[in-house]
Amino acid sequence: DIQMTQSPSTLSASVGDRVTITCRASESVSNWLAWYQQKPGKAPKLLVFKASSLENGVPSRFSGSGSGTEFTLTISSLQPDDFATYYCQQYNRYSTFGQGTKLEIK
Amino acid sequence: EVQLVQSGAEVKKPGESLRISCKGSEYSFTSYWITWVRQMPGKGLEWMGKIDPSDSYTNYNPSFQGHVTFSADKSISTAYLQWSSLKASDTAMYYCARSSSNHEDYWGQGTLVTVSS
Repeated sequence: DIQMTQSPSTLSASVGDRVTITCRASESVSNWLAWYQQKPGKAPKLLVFKASSLENGVPSRFSGSGSGTEFTLTISSLQPDDFATYYCQQYNRYSTFGQGTKLEIK
Repeated sequence: EVQLVQSGAEVKKPGESLRISCKGSEYSFTSYWITWVRQMPGKGLEWMGKIDPSDSYTNYNPSFQGHVTFSADKSISTAYLQWSSLKASDTAMYYCARSSSNHEDYWGQGTLVTVSS
């Protein structure tokens, strides 16, 4: 199984901050990596696919990068609506999610 | 607009059987796989596997194989997740999602399954 490890598990930040979440794979997944946002009581929402492609309708302050085993999701200027939990997902072989990163208001 | 609408919450006893559903609309249902994802209370997302509605070919996460069954009825654009004998540890929210090139682009609203004696 390919393991996905996100860091940090919890991140405290303020509106306007630039934040970065990291996702590491236990083996190369090429660029078959997606990022999702989930708010309490809601289904996950796709933000980024194929490591760096922004899903239609997702604000441009979100960006993804990386390949192989190390990936990042960056939010350039946090907005109040961005406080949520973020998950990475590899889909190179079967599929595996990271454990999640909870983004909290500082 | 693409929609996946899931069946309502269920409360069951251990050992009972259950089938929950996921109905797709506003897209070609047989052109995309349907993925199932589990989220246990307060926990993260787990990929259970997926089904191709065009021919009902399935791809299970080995961790779930043998305990759940995926099926689909393409005539009514509906996918199903079923258990023959529920356990308390099956208590979770279950999501279906449309798989587009192996990532999930549209999600259902979730079905909460509670298993308790």
